[in-house]
Amino acid sequence: EPEVTQTPSHQVTQMGQEVILRCVPISNHLYFYWYRQILGQKVEFLVSFYNNEISEKSEIFDDQFSVERPDGSNFTLKIRSTKLEDSAMYFCASSEMDSLSRYFGPGTRLTVL
Amino acid sequence: DAKTTQPNSMESNEEEPVHLPCNHSTISGTDYIHWYRQLPSQGPEYVIHGLTSNVNNRMASLAIAEDRKSSTLILHRATLRDAAVYYCILRNPTTSGTYKYIFGTGTRLKVLA
Repeated sequence: EPEVTQTPSHQVTQMGQEVILRCVPISNHLYFYWYRQILGQKVEFLVSFYNNEISEKSEIFDDQFSVERPDGSNFTLKIRSTKLEDSAMYFCASSEMDSLSRYFGPGTRLTVL
Repeated sequence: DAKTTQPNSMESNEEEPVHLPCNHSTISGTDYIHWYRQLPSQGPEYVIHGLTSNVNNRMASLAIAEDRKSSTLILHRATLRDAAVYYCILRNPTTSGTYKYIFGTGTRLKVLA
């Protein structure tokens, strides 16, 4: 069964550094998403992406965040200057259509020191 | 946004059916009811969804009240691998035509051997 993959599984970085989290969505899916989950808290929506542009974003997704689909398979989340509070699990998801079920990846654990 | 209310935790014995309730008294006519689960250290996983009629798939059944103000996810025979946090989510259309998935705190299901 096709699945969403994410790399790396764990990223450790120093505060103020830039990080790029990578995702490979399911190949025939057209909608892509990033969510995050701070330890012990809810899964929070960050951004949705379709047709090479952001279709929806939450208040969490401020100017330090950006997303990109650099080629036909990858979908990335960049955090320009990481803060301690960015430490969380980041989940990528994809779906065939925005109204349909979302398939989540296994997540990247980001630790900001 | 319409909200959902779920019990924080439930326990079940292995091989027995589990009924996970969800209240969504402010649901609107266009909101689909989605269920996802999150196994330990994994991303959310789609389980089932419905609008008005009861639904069955290989993982579970979804029973939706006639007034749609509540629903119940039914696992017919719980296994140890079903231990997870189960989220009841209303798929809300936004004014921009996209669809939000707002995760609550979910129900942590513990399955006893």
